[in-house]
Amino acid sequence: EVQLVESGGGLVQPGGSLRLSCAASGFTFSSSGVNWVRQAPGKGLEWVSYITSSSSTIYYADSVKGRFTISRDNAKNSLYLQMNSLRDEDTAVYYCARAFQKAFDIWGQGTMVTVSS
Amino acid sequence: QTVVTQEPSFSVSPGGTVTLTCGLSSGSVSTSYYPSWYQQTPGQAPRTLIYSTNTRSSAVPDRFSGSILGNKAALTITGAQADDESDYYCVLYMGSGIWVFGGGTKLTVL
Repeated sequence: EVQLVESGGGLVQPGGSLRLSCAASGFTFSSSGVNWVRQAPGKGLEWVSYITSSSSTIYYADSVKGRFTISRDNAKNSLYLQMNSLRDEDTAVYYCARAFQKAFDIWGQGTMVTVSS
Repeated sequence: QTVVTQEPSFSVSPGGTVTLTCGLSSGSVSTSYYPSWYQQTPGQAPRTLIYSTNTRSSAVPDRFSGSILGNKAALTITGAQADDESDYYCVLYMGSGIWVFGGGTKLTVL
């Protein structure tokens, strides 16, 4: 079965750090670009970051640039998001999503990150 | 700051046809933006409906179709069903590995 499974979410204080993981299965992960997309409670979707299959190119939304770091380990079929200097406005469900034809075709179920004191 | 615009809400009668649109605050949407569409129900992950303007994702029924209408991307649902009641999001590829989502349209079927 083709799937992405996120983990690592939780409650963290403002200014803190958290590392999210996304485990891929059922497809050739090492050939796929992947993204992080988030959704604040009651709000719409927001693209966060993209990494190419070989990690050669990485992009970030302005809202997270300099604070978040995307990475991957193709040997482990895994994607990561290191989140530092977290703010209240980073509270959201974080989804990983495979890039396909300049779109997102496979989505994980999401992991909740809550930034609160 | 690029803003992708969608109708905040829309309603359609069961069996009816509805067209949701996806525009730009400045400029026109073309196929060069590779518009794609996603359906999301509360508490669930998004589901991919359409990519590259008008290509249906696997297992998506053909009553969902995508197009460019005037200066906007469009998602048309023909023969709306009760379980089409969802939030619908478009996203545009801005180039250089950057995507921008629209604010979403809440579709009511009644």
